[in-house]
Amino acid sequence: SQTIHQWPATLVQPVGSPLSLECTVEGTSNPNLYWYRQAAGRGLQLLFYSVGIGQISSEVPQNLSASRPQDRQFILSSKKLLLSDSGFYLCAWSVQASTNSPLHFGNGTRLTVT
Amino acid sequence: GQNIDQPTEMTATEGAIVQINCTYQTSGFNGLFWYQQHAGEAPTFLSYNVLDGLEEKGRFSSFLSRSKGYSYLLLKELQMKDSASYLCAVRPYNTNAGKSTFGDGTTLTVKP
Repeated sequence: SQTIHQWPATLVQPVGSPLSLECTVEGTSNPNLYWYRQAAGRGLQLLFYSVGIGQISSEVPQNLSASRPQDRQFILSSKKLLLSDSGFYLCAWSVQASTNSPLHFGNGTRLTVT
Repeated sequence: GQNIDQPTEMTATEGAIVQINCTYQTSGFNGLFWYQQHAGEAPTFLSYNVLDGLEEKGRFSSFLSRSKGYSYLLLKELQMKDSASYLCAVRPYNTNAGKSTFGDGTTLTVKP
């Protein structure tokens, strides 16, 4: 069966510090990978998605970046965090080229920028 | 652009039936998903509709009308554990990317 791991679960970082969140998927090959952010009481905002190694698409301009160094590894990074980067970050995967494949989410990382 | 609307909050009684509505206006349509999200946790998949009509899964059912840009999630025999946020999401494009656009979610509180 497929599993998705995301870490860390919680993170408190000062403004201006770097960020690295990592996500790995097991049990499937060539998945679509996504990073979403959820503000308190709001829906999910798509930040980045990837259909293959090294292929990253950004949905919103921001000071975050994403990388996919391996087929089942997706990393979210920032060189300098802003207060507005606080939120609940969720990594997800879906079956590529399958319109009925739902998103399968990791447990999320709650980031607080102080 | 994409626009998905859901009520912000709903309250219902244990054992009752509740209907959560979702309306959408998207530039394309390739399926609508419902997810459940308990407080502090990640969303989990509940249902998928791509054709008009009702899909039933145990206590949960989901309905879609593509011509009206409308869906609802029906929860029967409510239990306390059904207290959660329910997210409506539309997959507008038929591409490899499989991107979904989410509504802000409906927070359901089930009372004894």
